[in-house]
Amino acid sequence: NAGVTQTPKFQVLKTGQSMTLQCAQDMNHEYMSWYRQDPGMGLRLIHYSVGAGITDQGEVPNGYNVSRSTTEDFPLRLLSAAPSQTSVYFCASSYRPGQPQHFGDGTRLSIL
Amino acid sequence: QQQVKQSPQSLIVQKGGISIINCAYENTAFDYFPWYQQFPGKGPALLIAIRPDVSEKKEGRFTISFNKSAKQFSLHIMDSQPGDSATYFCAASNGGSQGNLIFGKGTKLSVKP
Repeated sequence: NAGVTQTPKFQVLKTGQSMTLQCAQDMNHEYMSWYRQDPGMGLRLIHYSVGAGITDQGEVPNGYNVSRSTTEDFPLRLLSAAPSQTSVYFCASSYRPGQPQHFGDGTRLSIL
Repeated sequence: QQQVKQSPQSLIVQKGGISIINCAYENTAFDYFPWYQQFPGKGPALLIAIRPDVSEKKEGRFTISFNKSAKQFSLHIMDSQPGDSATYFCAASNGGSQGNLIFGKGTKLSVKP
């Protein structure tokens, strides 16, 4: 089992560019989520999904879009990258909300 | 009311010592309190978790102590080892359909040989 797989591992963008961060899990988890991790800020929830076709906003959703067309995949889209979105992004999944979450190894994103 | 406050920000402990990290919460609806361990370049990994029906849970050298009346919980690492050097996050959720985890800001632990 691969668990939670995130791609790419590293990415550099220019301000205004768009991109999609990929997240896939092979554990048949219903709940998936995206966090950003910034120094001294812990992990902050961007968007989450409780099942295919259902998404909702977390604490810091502005500038990001998500969709959940399948149980396995939960991509995060940056619409128009800004330097404030420079961060490490983690995807996580669990059977249900509030259950132990499995994290990917992150995407390190720099926006110039 | 949704915050989880974690302290200290950083901690240096000698090998063999006890590492203690504390967290406090406000939302009395929280009913699931996990601790995550994160090594550099990796995602957080679940270390140990507790629900409020017990006051303590132990797994090997790791113990969670939970004080429901004070709305506090702590992680104790006994016989700390250099391999325990990592960043530790506490978290809380209410386990329902909107039970997203709320994370503390993390504690960077360094265990000196």
